[in-house]
Amino acid sequence: QKEVEQNSGPLSVPEGAIASLNCTYSDRGSQSFFWYRQYSGKSPELIMFIYSNGDKEDGRFTAQLNKASQYVSLLIRDSQPSDSATYLCAVNIPGGGADGLTFGKGTHLIIQP
Amino acid sequence: GAVVSQHPSWVICKSGTSVKIECRSLDFQATTMFWYRQFPKQSLMLMATSNEGSKATYEQGVEKDKFLINHASLTLSTLTVTSAHPEDSSFYICSARGLLQENQPQHFGDGTRLSIL
Repeated sequence: QKEVEQNSGPLSVPEGAIASLNCTYSDRGSQSFFWYRQYSGKSPELIMFIYSNGDKEDGRFTAQLNKASQYVSLLIRDSQPSDSATYLCAVNIPGGGADGLTFGKGTHLIIQP
Repeated sequence: GAVVSQHPSWVICKSGTSVKIECRSLDFQATTMFWYRQFPKQSLMLMATSNEGSKATYEQGVEKDKFLINHASLTLSTLTVTSAHPEDSSFYICSARGLLQENQPQHFGDGTRLSIL
């Protein structure tokens, strides 16, 4: 059973602060982890992806992965009002016939000006 | 970057109508395409996976006779919602990836909002 859990929020963060988004997954076979941002009524857009334990940084975003704890997080530094959106955590188990992404329900992030 | 185009972006039609949604990869060969559905305030749910030239693999609970998927070329997949009813109203999103890119991010289309009256 593939499950991806996220706190639905809303998570409210002051502008300029660090927003921390968390995600846990159930399938230890998961190998690829993705963070997508979705604005209301729009399709998801990729923010970060990570495959190995540890941290991966890209601009204001840092993805953190801990496979032993089955935990992946996304940090957003210097949060901006434009970062307000729903952030979806997704995992992929490659191989087999049906290996699309399994998404969490998303965390609604609000950056307060 | 890789571009996936989805058409139409919005469909409103009467109950009982069949609706076809197209998903095209514009600048790469999409050996695998995925179809997702998202109900309001819910997350994306994978409906089916299609590999070019093969029958689609449907997720549990998705009726293959209702949601017909065709992936006849490396740049085009179609989803046909047959005899659509109001409960089929949803946001349908496709994604695509190329050969040997199982671990790579999928490229999403802009989605199709389907409203059945």
